[in-house]
Amino acid sequence: NAGVMQNPRHLVRRRGQEARLRCSPMKGHSHVYWYRQLPEEGLKFMVYLQKENIIDESGMPKERFSAEFPKEGPSILRIQQVVRGDSAAYFCASSRSNQPQHFGDGTRLSIL
Amino acid sequence: AQTVTQSQPEMSVQEAETVTLSCTYDTSESDYYLFWYKQPPSRQMILVIRQEAYKQQNATENRFSVNFQKAAKSFSLKISDSQLGDAAMYFCAYRSNAGGTSYGKLTFGQGTILTVHP
Repeated sequence: NAGVMQNPRHLVRRRGQEARLRCSPMKGHSHVYWYRQLPEEGLKFMVYLQKENIIDESGMPKERFSAEFPKEGPSILRIQQVVRGDSAAYFCASSRSNQPQHFGDGTRLSIL
Repeated sequence: AQTVTQSQPEMSVQEAETVTLSCTYDTSESDYYLFWYKQPPSRQMILVIRQEAYKQQNATENRFSVNFQKAAKSFSLKISDSQLGDAAMYFCAYRSNAGGTSYGKLTFGQGTILTVHP
């Protein structure tokens, strides 16, 4: 019974490049959440998705960031034209409707 | 908007002793969940314990228990018989159960680093 799978575990990009972070939820989970953790800080909510729908994107920057959770395949968090300030750990979590969220191991994004 | 505050950036405890981590929150809602998550150096987020606001009885999970004071908006975590493996960053988190688009997302505190001394 695999947990939430995130890949890659580490991602290095140069400024101006695109970063794609993937998240496969636990089996049976249709709710996906993305959080960002800056060094020495707590996790900050970015976006909440259900299959093919964005439910709440109030925590996601309006520019350069987008997220999707297609009918088939993993959820993708996409960051275009990355800047140094995007360096962080990005966590994905999944849940059934009203159950606790289970987290993946995160993707550590480093911008050169 | 809801906020969660952990006023203790760092705490330490001797092995086998008891330690309490503090958490306060601010909300105008009456229906919500509160959680404690543990993040060891591996960075994995592990659910420790959860409390539903409508339940008066404090949640317990083995050596972990909470003191939930709804009127005071306080939600502290007590770790009994501390073990070396308890050393980690601990996050308190809030989740609305009221429906609408805010339903589901977790609001985290800043975290408390717990050190366990042998």
